[in-house]
Amino acid sequence: DTAVSQTPKYLVTQMGNDKSIKCEQNLGHDTMYWYKQDSKKFLKIMFSYNNKELIINETVPNRFSPKSPDKAHLNLHINSLELGDSAVYFCASSQSGVYNSPLHFGNGTRLTVT
Amino acid sequence: AQKITQTQPGMFVQEKEAVTLDCTYDTSDQSYGLFWYKQPSSGEMIFLIYQGSYDEQNATEGRYSLNFQKARKSANLVISASQLGDSAMYFCAMSLSGNTGKLIFGQGTTLQVKP
Repeated sequence: DTAVSQTPKYLVTQMGNDKSIKCEQNLGHDTMYWYKQDSKKFLKIMFSYNNKELIINETVPNRFSPKSPDKAHLNLHINSLELGDSAVYFCASSQSGVYNSPLHFGNGTRLTVT
Repeated sequence: AQKITQTQPGMFVQEKEAVTLDCTYDTSDQSYGLFWYKQPSSGEMIFLIYQGSYDEQNATEGRYSLNFQKARKSANLVISASQLGDSAMYFCAMSLSGNTGKLIFGQGTTLQVKP
């Protein structure tokens, strides 16, 4: 059983388009995250939700909008895609968002904007 | 400022030997957690090991151990008896109390195991 699953795995689109990435976890965790991994493999947090409530919103363009319909799902919608948005986006979850709880990651979505 | 530093961009190790991947961290918090993740070429992020700031003993998980030196603010990963499947990128990460579980990652170290 996949613990954290995100779709699609690959996303190729043109500049200016709008796209969404979906994430679901079946671990019963109440905190979910979106991370971005850039071309140099650096991982940076974008957003975090706890029980459907936004708790972390790092400096991310307004074109990125997360949505959490319930605590098992966290989707990422991106408007007006730009070349610089090309990256791997990881969804993750943890229990209670406490500092000693490891994050469990999905397999990533490789977004390529042409 | 909270920061994780991995100074080794790339490492080589002979199969069956042990290897140490370095990680130093910077925080003024007393409560924090240190993690290591593995990212193989297939791209997924795999949790390996965790060390809490109050843990007095070094964490171990199978062939992985974490050499935690609090005074030096270092949390090095030791992989014993390296296997070809250990070839991957390894990330050190830190989580702080009150930070909602968010992880701050280092730059990563690419490990190649030679047969």
